[in-house]
Amino acid sequence: EAQVTQNPRYLITVTGKKLTVTCSQNMNHEYMSWYRQDPGLGLRQIYYSMNVEATDKGDVPEGYKVSRKEKRNFPLILESPSPNQTSLYFCASSFGQGFFNEQFFGPGTRLTVL
Amino acid sequence: AQTVTQSQPEMSVQEAETVTLSCTYDTSESDYYLFWYKQPPSRQMILVIRQEAYKQQNATENRFSVNFQKAAKSFSLKISDSQLGDAAMYFCAYRSHIQGAQKLVFGQGTRLTINP
Repeated sequence: EAQVTQNPRYLITVTGKKLTVTCSQNMNHEYMSWYRQDPGLGLRQIYYSMNVEATDKGDVPEGYKVSRKEKRNFPLILESPSPNQTSLYFCASSFGQGFFNEQFFGPGTRLTVL
Repeated sequence: AQTVTQSQPEMSVQEAETVTLSCTYDTSESDYYLFWYKQPPSRQMILVIRQEAYKQQNATENRFSVNFQKAAKSFSLKISDSQLGDAAMYFCAYRSHIQGAQKLVFGQGTRLTINP
């Protein structure tokens, strides 16, 4: 089954404790992206990757890191989480350019930073 | 930078009735894509319908249709014969047509309640 998976689905942590949210897709997509969803703000892009070893900042990259060492994986790293990073996080992937290249979203990760 | 605005934080409709969700956007580009996503309580993001800006004809997917007004930069979603399963958060989104552009710019969302 074609899908984007994220782990963990739920995470409660404390300020300053490094964490990684994994994202993996099995569709051979070039493009992958991370979004955060906050009430009243919709979804905002954090980082994206056009292909292996090609990453760039989105609209709200502060406090986050990413890597793209393999085409299928795009982990999101919070080196020193803070309470303002409490949010719902989505990973998405697509083939790239074109109208019919629909972005597929993962199931979301609910992160709480105390 | 492009922006998307959904001015209705919440909407409610009686089952079997029709409801329209509003979306406006701001862009200086002439070609782009517009989308409506549904997010049910499961939190999964589900693509409902999409529109290419250069196409005059409004997109339709079963009970879902859009009213695309390019000059007004308006992209509303009409849900006909509302069903209980339509209850969800709905997001309007914009994507540039520029080569390599994949970022979706989302609106704030509209929470739709269906009353039985």
